[in-house]
Amino acid sequence: DVKVTQSSRYLVKRTGEKVFLECVQDMDHENMFWYRQDPGLGLRLIYFSYDVKMKEKGDIPEGYSVSREKKERFSLILESASTNQTSMYLCASSFQGSSYGYTFGSGTRLTVV
Amino acid sequence: AQSVTQLDSQVPVFEEAPVELRCNYSSSVSVYLFWYVQYPNQGLQLLLKYLSGSTLVKGINGFEAEFNKSQTSFHLRKPSVHISDTAEYFCAVSAPSGGYNKLIFGAGTRLAVHP
Repeated sequence: DVKVTQSSRYLVKRTGEKVFLECVQDMDHENMFWYRQDPGLGLRLIYFSYDVKMKEKGDIPEGYSVSREKKERFSLILESASTNQTSMYLCASSFQGSSYGYTFGSGTRLTVV
Repeated sequence: AQSVTQLDSQVPVFEEAPVELRCNYSSSVSVYLFWYVQYPNQGLQLLLKYLSGSTLVKGINGFEAEFNKSQTSFHLRKPSVHISDTAEYFCAVSAPSGGYNKLIFGAGTRLAVHP
């Protein structure tokens, strides 16, 4: 069964900490995405990557960075966590080409205290 | 540019009743259309997709959707819902391109099935 695996389901971090959210896919997908999901705001794209070492800003990149050193792994980094980054974070991946849907991970619920 | 509007943020329905979740899109080019479901505290799962051909698309869990090009709609339907269908449903659109695959998601519709 194809999978997108997010390293943590629940995470609690302190304000100011550097936080790493890891995402790994085993489908040889070119594209990978990070979204955050908040009640009433739907899915908002933070960053995406269409190839190794390539990254593009999404709609809300402020306060985040990403790393894609290998094709299967896409990391989201919160340089200095703040309480307004408390959210559900979803990773997704897909093949190149717009007829392919995304495969999503199970999500990481991050709480910053 | 494409956009997606889900017309209802919440839809309450009784068990075994039919349901329709509405989705409209805007695009100046041909599009591909998707419906995803998200159960509580989980990621999104693909329910069905329309790429071309028959406008009635059948998906998992008894759901189906109809593509209507003149109405620019892709409404999701189920003839008889179960308690287990309680979830959030997202409509999404993408356009053919040679570049990266970027889906545009609607804001979601929360389906609440009551006994």
